[in-house]
Amino acid sequence: EVQLVETGGGLIQPGGSLRLSCAASGFTVSSNYMSWVRQAPGKGLEWVSVIYSGGSTYYADSVKGRFTISRDNSKNTLYLQMNSLRAEDTAVYYCARDEGAAMGYDYWGQGTLVTVSS
Amino acid sequence: EIVMTQSPATLSVSPGERATLSCRASQSVSSNLAWYQQKPGQAPRLLIYGASTRATGIPARFSGSGSGTEFTLTISSLQSEDFAVYYCQHGLFFGGGTKVEIK
Repeated sequence: EVQLVETGGGLIQPGGSLRLSCAASGFTVSSNYMSWVRQAPGKGLEWVSVIYSGGSTYYADSVKGRFTISRDNSKNTLYLQMNSLRAEDTAVYYCARDEGAAMGYDYWGQGTLVTVSS
Repeated sequence: EIVMTQSPATLSVSPGERATLSCRASQSVSSNLAWYQQKPGQAPRLLIYGASTRATGIPARFSGSGSGTEFTLTISSLQSEDFAVYYCQHGLFFGGGTKVEIK
């Protein structure tokens, strides 16, 4: 059974850093495209970042230079390192298996809430 | 950048009735479009990919159609569990969502 479990969210002050983790089971993270998608309170879905099976990474303009996506193949885990956090980064962060433009995000984690506030 | 526009923002439907949701892309996306259902406090769930293929376990009352720039999600007979927010998506871009509420 495919499962994604995010951890690492919490309350953080503006300018702070946080690392989110997404532990996968039932499939191999490194063999798939994996994305982070976020949802601000009461708002819609926003793509944040993707890491391809080959290791290439891409970011939304809103997080470029501040966030870093990575994976640990030995732990079958995806990460999102978030630095220089801003109030507008407050959101539930989901990791999702990305099957590409033709097939969408077929599995999602339950999400982890990041609140950036002083 | 591709802009995905969903309409209406809110759709009021009685149980058992048909619901028709629209999604428009600012440029052609061929058939590379997905639909998701999201209930409060839950992660999105993939309903449709490739514009018209139901994902695993999705009931037949959900159907998708369209290609190019115009797409439709139809729920043939709304059940109580179908009242939720629905999003369309192409690649990195999501629509703003349509909330289907009880009339």
